[in-house]
This record gives sequence, C-alpha cells and structure tokens, in this order.
Amino acid sequence: NAGVMQNPRHLVRRRGQEARLRCSPMKGHSHVYWYRQLPEEGLKFMVYLQKENIIDESGMPKERFSAEFPKEGPSILRIQQVVRGDSAAYFCASSPEGVPNEKLFFGSGTQLSVL
Amino acid sequence: AQSVTQPDIHITVSEGASLELRCNYSYGATPYLFWYVQSPGQGLQLLLKYFSGDTLVQGIKGFEAEFKRSQSSFNLRKPSVHWSDAAEYFCALTGGFKTIFGAGTRLFVKA
Repeated sequence: NAGVMQNPRHLVRRRGQEARLRCSPMKGHSHVYWYRQLPEEGLKFMVYLQKENIIDESGMPKERFSAEFPKEGPSILRIQQVVRGDSAAYFCASSPEGVPNEKLFFGSGTQLSVL
Repeated sequence: AQSVTQPDIHITVSEGASLELRCNYSYGATPYLFWYVQSPGQGLQLLLKYFSGDTLVQGIKGFEAEFKRSQSSFNLRKPSVHWSDAAEYFCALTGGFKTIFGAGTRLFVKA
C-alpha cells in the first residue's frame, strides 16, 4: 500500500510563474490536507479538502493560491504568479474515512524555490 | 484560540541519556494531541496520539507521552536516546478540521 505521494520533490520557479504541486493520497483516503513549512517553523495549515469539495480553506492566502481535489486524480495546490515569499516546503497529508484528523499520513513534501 | 507551544527550539542530549520534550497547548475542550517526528527531507511520521482515557500513552520507537490537563501539557519522553533519534519533533493538536502544529524542537544526539 503506497503512502502519500507528492510530486515533484523539488520545484524551481521564477517570480511571476505558476507552481502546481500534486498530491495522491493513500489508497482509500478521502480527506486531504495541505500544509506549508517555512524554515525553523512548524507546519501551517492551509486547506482541507474532500473529494470535489473544499471543507476548510481558512489557512490559504486569499490571492494567488487555490486547491482542488477532483473526483479522479490527485489533489492539486496551485500558486499563481509566485513570489520569493512562497518559497517553502509544502506537505500534503491524508486521512481515511471516518473521523478526519484522527491520524494523518504525510507525504515527503515538495520544496518550492522561487528565484 | 487554539495554539501549541514548544518552548525548546533545540535540545542536545548524550546517547543513552533520557529525553523529555515539552509541549503546552491552549484549547477550550479536551484536545486530541499528537507527537510527530520529521527526519531531514522527509514528511512527518506519527509517534503517538492521545484522545482520551489513560493519560500516559505509548508510541513507536520507545517513546511515551503524558497528558496533564492541569498543566495543559503533553510532554514526550524516552528513557534512553539512540543516535537515530536525532530529528525534529512536532507536537500537534486537533480542533475541528485542523491539526495545529507547534514550531518544533530539533533534537541533537551526541556520542
């Protein structure tokens, strides 16, 4: 049973470009969470999704950031017109049906570097 | 407001010595509490969790944690540290849909 898969592991973008981060949850998991980690900081919650629905996006910046979890395929975190401050590690986590957050399974993250 | 505080940014212990990592939380009800470990370049791995019941919980890799409601604490302990335990440790709290993480404590192990 494969774990949470994130790709790419490393993504380099120039300012103004778009970044698309992908997350495939564990098989059978229908809850997906995105977190951002800055150096020397903990993980900051961004968004919680279920299939085709955004449940809680209170941690997402209001502009340039969007997330989706379509019926088929991976969850996508999209950052438009990236700026240097977007450079961070972005982690995806998933949890199974039932009580969300009871146990989070994390991917290895995508390190985004904005030049 | 919900929050998790890890007072120690870095801790260094000798191999074989005991370890205690501190975690304090703020939450209006009985929280779900977790400890995760992160190795460099990796995602987080769950060490243990507390939902209810026995306030001393056992986890993987020989770790345990004790929930103390009166002190709003959930400290992580290990009786004898191994060099492979060097990593970053995160305390976390679940409230509603979100899991909130502390800023982490980086553990260094010296020979």
